[in-house]
Amino acid sequence: DSGVTQTPKHLITATGQRVTLRCSPRSGDLSVYWYQQSLDQGLQFLIHYYNGEERAKGNILERFSAQQFPDLHSELNLSSLELGDSALYFCASSVTGGGNTIYFGEGSWLTVV
Amino acid sequence: DQQVKQNSPSLSVQEGRISILNCDYTNSMFDYFLWYKKYPAEGPTFLISISSIKDKNEDGRFTVFLNKSAKHLSLHIVPSQPGDSAVYFCAASADGAGSYQLTFGKGTKLSVIP
Repeated sequence: DSGVTQTPKHLITATGQRVTLRCSPRSGDLSVYWYQQSLDQGLQFLIHYYNGEERAKGNILERFSAQQFPDLHSELNLSSLELGDSALYFCASSVTGGGNTIYFGEGSWLTVV
Repeated sequence: DQQVKQNSPSLSVQEGRISILNCDYTNSMFDYFLWYKKYPAEGPTFLISISSIKDKNEDGRFTVFLNKSAKHLSLHIVPSQPGDSAVYFCAASADGAGSYQLTFGKGTKLSVIP
């Protein structure tokens, strides 16, 4: 158990819909990262928040957005969902902004039908 | 443009023997390297890391070697055990304006045969 909690674990939704994935980082960790894992793309970095502020953006679509709240939990919002958005979405956390180990949650499996 | 490459999608090793997983990178700004192990439907689990100022780091059965001139790192598992069967991801990070997001390879599936 990494200490990073993600909900929901599984989610099935229709195209065009919007979903929210939630992440609670490890106690004391200020950084939250979101990654997407699809079959052919491996683990792709989406976005990084540090203590409530956005630090870096990766391959995140405009239809996707994220935020980190004062209690340090984070949400990833996915809207206007398409079939190709079906993937495993991982949240990870670390103590600082980087230069150290990032610990991953169990992931949220999103299926768009 | 794949900055971290794991060229072997799979590897089979006999129990008790050495497993060697390889990883190559192209970005010379990478200064921190990690190996993660992943079981199906679970999150990646951190195994071992190495800073670019070192060339070797050891933790129990796991050793990571870094060859900066060749931009190559490898993970050695000795002795290999059936429980080591999983997908292993190599990852690298570089300080990008205060964010150390990881760049991952596509993974190598290790099968340890009893």
